[in-house]
Amino acid sequence: QSALTQPPSASGSPGQSVTISCTGTSSDVGGYNYVSWYQQHPGKAPKLMIYEVSKRPSGVPDRFSGSKSGNTASLTVSGLQAEDEADYYCSSYAGSTSYVFGTGTKVTVL
Amino acid sequence: EVQLLESGGGLVQPGGSLRLSCAASGFTFSSYAMSWVRQAPGKGLEWVSAISGSGGSTYYADSVKGRFTISRDNSKNTLYLQMNSLRAEDTAVYYCAKDRGNMVRGHGMDVWGQGTTVTVSS
Repeated sequence: QSALTQPPSASGSPGQSVTISCTGTSSDVGGYNYVSWYQQHPGKAPKLMIYEVSKRPSGVPDRFSGSKSGNTASLTVSGLQAEDEADYYCSSYAGSTSYVFGTGTKVTVL
Repeated sequence: EVQLLESGGGLVQPGGSLRLSCAASGFTFSSYAMSWVRQAPGKGLEWVSAISGSGGSTYYADSVKGRFTISRDNSKNTLYLQMNSLRAEDTAVYYCAKDRGNMVRGHGMDVWGQGTTVTVSS
């Protein structure tokens, strides 16, 4: 049950786009179309932003989009806004071990 | 309003036990799988355990297998985590989270509680 690999940090100016990668293996990311992304502001609970690779829960802006290729999933935030500054975690279904989270990426809006 | 409220955290000595509870409201509790996810101070999220909507299937991370037990009482709309043989590395904020599906199939966790803090220290 090794954590999925994410870059520690990413940044962009307001209005720009930022893409975060999430690399796993064929036993998790590559094996299932069940990748989720969570946003967490300091001191707050995580919030589901993307589920099943590319689907958005109601209320999540369409600036957030997800994709997957092989063992790597990606989250793109377009039109960056100040409130997008947060930690982002990917998560994947991993079969009998259920869920595995990524190492987390801190997004900074410059 | 859909809501999860954890309780039961606190300070416990190494080797001790603690039981966390998570009271659910605003949705049909028995229709959804539930998970516990923890976050050590300054660290990332770690999935701990999950249970199907009926309670018939349970899953654990290797780090807690044999020490933690997840359960649910659907008549009380409450999720539990019994934690035994606690170690310093179990120190974390523990969140309960509602799954989007009835079975634990990776559909994502769409509702989270505010978390309860567990500190394991002598």
